[in-house]
Amino acid sequence: NAGVTQTPKFQVLKTGQSMTLQCAQDMNHNSMYWYRQDPGMGLRLIYYSASEGTTDKGEVPNGYNVSRLNKREFSLRLESAAPSQTSVYFCASRGQWAANQNEYFGPGTRLTVT
Amino acid sequence: GNSVTQMEGPVTLSEEAFLTINCTYTATGYPSLFWYVQYPGEGLQLLLKATKADDKGSNKGFEATYRKETTSFHLEKGSVQVSDSAVYFCALLGMIKAAGNKLTFGGGTRVLVKP
Repeated sequence: NAGVTQTPKFQVLKTGQSMTLQCAQDMNHNSMYWYRQDPGMGLRLIYYSASEGTTDKGEVPNGYNVSRLNKREFSLRLESAAPSQTSVYFCASRGQWAANQNEYFGPGTRLTVT
Repeated sequence: GNSVTQMEGPVTLSEEAFLTINCTYTATGYPSLFWYVQYPGEGLQLLLKATKADDKGSNKGFEATYRKETTSFHLEKGSVQVSDSAVYFCALLGMIKAAGNKLTFGGGTRVLVKP
């Protein structure tokens, strides 16, 4: 049981390049989330998916797109990277029922845009 | 809307000292409350939680009590170790138990324990 996995762990992009961050969970969770964490700031929600086939914007969705490929996988795409997107990105998932409200986080992807 | 306010860090203390991190919240009804911990270079992991008023969550020597009357969920540990050095996040999950219900995080408090 690997929990939440993310790839890659580190990435350096030039301004204008695109990339996709991958996330997968093996806990059969319905809900999945993408956050960014900037130095000195807490987590900010980018996008989330309440269930397979649905996605919704969070606080800071501009410059990003997401795909809920299936129940396990939720990817985040940067179409044209900008230096302001330099951050650490975390994927998370949560079960549906009240007894399992814990949100489980992946190890993060550290992205630098030059 | 929901919000969480926690004390700003960094908090620096010596090993075996007492730690308190204050957390207050604004939400309607009876949210669930959480403390997450982030060790250097890692993702967040759940430290403890409480789902109703007067519940006490505890784990690894840390405790927090859900106080509805003061809308608080302060984190405490009686004797910290160097290994407790981390960033601590207070969070709440609103009453609506919908699948899309989102956590609201505080800004995080960095704790540094010196030997």
